[in-house]
Amino acid sequence: GENVEQHPSTLSVQEGDSAVIKCTYSDSASNYFPWYKQELGKGPQLIIDIRSNVGEKKDQRIAVTLNKTAKHFSLHITETQPEDSAVYFCAASTSGGSYIPTFGRGTSLIVHP
Amino acid sequence: KAGVTQTPRYLIKTRGQQVTLSCSPISGHRSVSWYQQTPGQGLQFLFEYFSETQRNKGNFPGRFSGRQFSNSRSEMNVSTLELGDSALYLCASSSRQDYNEQFFGPGTRLTVL
Repeated sequence: GENVEQHPSTLSVQEGDSAVIKCTYSDSASNYFPWYKQELGKGPQLIIDIRSNVGEKKDQRIAVTLNKTAKHFSLHITETQPEDSAVYFCAASTSGGSYIPTFGRGTSLIVHP
Repeated sequence: KAGVTQTPRYLIKTRGQQVTLSCSPISGHRSVSWYQQTPGQGLQFLFEYFSETQRNKGNFPGRFSGRQFSNSRSEMNVSTLELGDSALYLCASSSRQDYNEQFFGPGTRLTVL
């Protein structure tokens, strides 16, 4: 089955800095890669996703890149703010009628004011 | 639109008991998935229902079961509770048959004593 590795497990940055979280996956059939943000006491919230036919996607301060050959994808957050502090999860899955994601173990991002 | 709701939010049970958790998806969403989240294993897929049919199942024992009603509301049941079942159980709904954006509820925190 699919295996998703996520690094780092903890990331501490100063407000205004950039943050990068990296994930690798094992199943070359995976073609959908979402990123979720989970704040304390809440469920995960989808913040951005990318499909295997796209190399990069941006949404304001957030961007995701995908390297299919190397089987890794990354989340980039620029101009970090204290409200970006949360746990971030990557996931990988295959499309085609159903959705069974395999999640990374999560990265706790701490943005210091 | 109202978000995904889960009841109860917190639950304490003892070993050997059974428990039923409820999930109401976003209006119009027909796909409901369940996940278990623990510090040790992270986020793990339990099962997914679409139009009252279980389409996919994760690697969990038969003590974990679920169902979906005609109004898309879903329940999951865990029988013969074990200490290791203590976790945050998350429900997510989606409007499409295929993959794509999943909206998570706040979860039910189950503690087994």
